[in-house]
Amino acid sequence: GDSVTQMEGPVTLSEEAFLTINCTYTATGYPSLFWYVQYPGEGLQLLLKATKADDKGSNKGFEATYRKETTSFHLEKGSVQVSDSAVYFCALREIYNQGGKLIFGQGTELSVKP
Amino acid sequence: EAQVTQNPRYLITVTGKKLTVTCSQNMNHEYMSWYRQDPGLGLRQIYYSMNVEVTDKGDVPEGYKVSRKEKRNFPLILESPSPNQTSLYFCASSFGRLDSPLHFGNGTRLTVT
Repeated sequence: GDSVTQMEGPVTLSEEAFLTINCTYTATGYPSLFWYVQYPGEGLQLLLKATKADDKGSNKGFEATYRKETTSFHLEKGSVQVSDSAVYFCALREIYNQGGKLIFGQGTELSVKP
Repeated sequence: EAQVTQNPRYLITVTGKKLTVTCSQNMNHEYMSWYRQDPGLGLRQIYYSMNVEVTDKGDVPEGYKVSRKEKRNFPLILESPSPNQTSLYFCASSFGRLDSPLHFGNGTRLTVT
């Protein structure tokens, strides 16, 4: 079945450092790919999305490119801030997926120190 | 503002006392779903609804009921809660095309003693 694998956390960075969180997926069809962010005590917010191969999603300085050849959707940010501290989830969803559920990775906790 | 609203945010109850967690969306979404989030187990789908009067089981439906009488509302019902239903619950909605993004509510933290 479909699955998503993320790099394990926690990830600790200094402010203004470069961020990469790796995400790879397996899917039977042609999924849409998403990054969600969960701040402490809050729900999941959609950070960015890409619906087909070679699409680049971007938002708030974060970027991820849908790479079909490597089945990857790595999250990057050039300069992180303390306010980026949160848990980040990579996820996929596809039309033929029973129940229309989002398939999530296990989440990567990011901690940014001043 | 486009949003998914869940209530209550926090709930402490006792075993066997029926409860309902409400969920409402104002985006005219056809699809709605409930998830629970547990440490080490991630997010798991409980029930989903493709449209009004159309509901189906997700991965962990035991002990839960849902209904979809109106497009905007999708309540989660625990008829006889048990301690293993202590969890963080999220309602989510999307347009009917199943590769579109899900929009989540802020969550309901339920404790069953």
